[in-house]
Amino acid sequence: QIVLTQSPAIMSASPGEKVTMTCSASSSVSYMHWYQQKSGTSPKRWIYDTSKLASGVPARFSGSGSGTSYSLTISTMEAEDVATYYCQQWSSNPPITFGAGTKLELK
Amino acid sequence: EVQLVESGGVLVKPGGSLKLSCAASGFAFSSYDMSWVRQTPEKRLEWVAYISRGGGNTYYPDTVKGRFTISRDNAKNTLYLQLNSLKSEDTAMYYCVRPGHHWFFDVWGAGTTVTVSS
Repeated sequence: QIVLTQSPAIMSASPGEKVTMTCSASSSVSYMHWYQQKSGTSPKRWIYDTSKLASGVPARFSGSGSGTSYSLTISTMEAEDVATYYCQQWSSNPPITFGAGTKLELK
Repeated sequence: EVQLVESGGVLVKPGGSLKLSCAASGFAFSSYDMSWVRQTPEKRLEWVAYISRGGGNTYYPDTVKGRFTISRDNAKNTLYLQLNSLKSEDTAMYYCVRPGHHWFFDVWGAGTTVTVSS
């Protein structure tokens, strides 16, 4: 199965700062999805098909990548962005797999 | 409002069994494939089962294959997960999820907690 490695595991950013987190796959994937999870709540759909924002996701978020290397970027950090972000790959066949998450904190 | 509500999570002994349920509302349940995803106490997410809209096709990762069974009742708008031969490593929050295109899980329930311990 495809292993996803997210880095960093934990990061902190100041309001207004640009944030980039990465997700590296052990082999090439077709699409990468991202989820946001805030403390005590269920994961929430966030970015799909590598770069498309789910409904309601602020435009300061973006996703990019191809092959084995993907990233999620926040152009300007806001306090409400504090959460853990998980990547998830899809490659035509199961099993689909998730990364271990990047915890984003406010500096 | 699109909603998924899980139930059935309990404390169970190793080797035991239980059945989780997920009541769906606010969308045409029979038109969607459905799935279960679990989150471990260490916060890792793991997909554990997938069923096609008619119930004819199911998929599982090797970690649960042969022990877990996903099923659905479209007349009752309900999804199920039968968990057998439970191990301590099955301890997790179990989420009912609705997969969209390319298995993007676009709707999540609040989850139900399964604890496997003697």
